[in-house]
Amino acid sequence: AQKVTQAQTEISVVEKEDVTLDCVYETRDTTYYLFWYKQPPSGELVFLIRRNSFDEQNEISGRYSWNFQKSTSSFNFTITASQVVDSAVYFCALSGTYNFNKFYFGSGTKLNVKP
Amino acid sequence: EAGVVQSPRYKIIEKKQPVAFWCNPISGHNTLYWYRQNLGQGPELLIRYENEEAVDDSQLPKDRFSAERLKGVDSTLKIQPAELGDSAVYLCASSSPIGQTYEQYFGPGTRLTVT
Repeated sequence: AQKVTQAQTEISVVEKEDVTLDCVYETRDTTYYLFWYKQPPSGELVFLIRRNSFDEQNEISGRYSWNFQKSTSSFNFTITASQVVDSAVYFCALSGTYNFNKFYFGSGTKLNVKP
Repeated sequence: EAGVVQSPRYKIIEKKQPVAFWCNPISGHNTLYWYRQNLGQGPELLIRYENEEAVDDSQLPKDRFSAERLKGVDSTLKIQPAELGDSAVYLCASSSPIGQTYEQYFGPGTRLTVT
């Protein structure tokens, strides 16, 4: 069975602080994909990153970085020097070998960045 | 490039009334998804289309929900009759297997309130 757990329901930080959003996944598949999406108040989920299970390299994109660790089944997301515009709900998702089109989403982490 | 278009953005109906949601995916995307997102939760797949064919409708409550994707482009999701528990955001997404990247692109959603 596929499962994604985002234990942090809500996080509040002050602008310019760094913040890490946790994502822990469960799967028996050897090949799978992990994703992060951002959902601002407007409601549209915005794709941020995709990572396949064979690529454990960490990735950095501007102020965003992702740490993928298969040993702990985690795919954490860090925002450096957070900004008010980062305030949103962030979702981690998983898709597996037999159906890469079927996403299993976590329950999301609401990030509040205060000025 | 235009994103996924959904209408209406908001809908308020009384229970037992019918309601329909419309989605126009990104041009060239042959896979279309309908999700339901309850408050404080991640999206859950209702149905997935590959062109005109519904290939995964295992989570669609077929007694009251129906969907169609004529000509493999636009899609309509219908609820008849609506129940109080159907209040949620209904999201449409699309993806293309080109490059086998599998990320899904979401529309802004339709927020349904059943009174």
